[in-house]
Amino acid sequence: EAGVTQFPSHSVIEKGQTVTLRCDPISGHDNLYWYRRVMGKEIKFLLHFVKESKQDESGMPNNRFLAERTGGTYSTLKVQPAELEDSGVYFCASSPTGGLEQFFGPGTRLTVL
Amino acid sequence: AQSVTQLGSHVSVSEGALVLLRCNYSSSVPPYLFWYVQYPNQGLQLLLKYTTGATLVKGINGFEAEFKKSETSFHLTKPSAHMSDAAEYFCAVRFTGTASKLTFGTGTRLQVTL
Repeated sequence: EAGVTQFPSHSVIEKGQTVTLRCDPISGHDNLYWYRRVMGKEIKFLLHFVKESKQDESGMPNNRFLAERTGGTYSTLKVQPAELEDSGVYFCASSPTGGLEQFFGPGTRLTVL
Repeated sequence: AQSVTQLGSHVSVSEGALVLLRCNYSSSVPPYLFWYVQYPNQGLQLLLKYTTGATLVKGINGFEAEFKKSETSFHLTKPSAHMSDAAEYFCAVRFTGTASKLTFGTGTRLQVTL
């Protein structure tokens, strides 16, 4: 069974540009989460989808971040325009309905210059 | 505010020595507790979790953790470190009333030396 996959693994962009990160959860997992780790700090929750609906987006830093999960399968996280402080590793995780364990992807390392 | 504290961002042990990674959380209500490990260039992998029941939880690769309600702690241990245990370890907590999101500690990087 394939795990959670994320694309790209690395992205380097300049301040002001737009970047879109993609996450493919484990097949059949209705819950999808986005987290971010800024260098040297803790991994922080961004938002939670249940199928295509946003269940909790309390961790989204500002309106430059837009997450979507059309059709309740894969999800994208767009940052527009990117700022220096957006640099970090973005993790995606998924879990089945009622599941306690969240299965994490390898992360996307975003560098904003 | 609910928080998770991991004492020591870097821990170094000799191969064969005891591994002890500390995790404390702030909550009066027992939450769900997790330890994740991240090996280089890989995602986070669940080592073990505590939900209810027995407070000593055994996980993969010989790791275990004990939930101590009175100390609000969930320290991770392994009796004998192996070189392959070198990785970064994260304590994560699912606090009651916060839906299913996880709150993480800052992580502890474990170095194992010969």
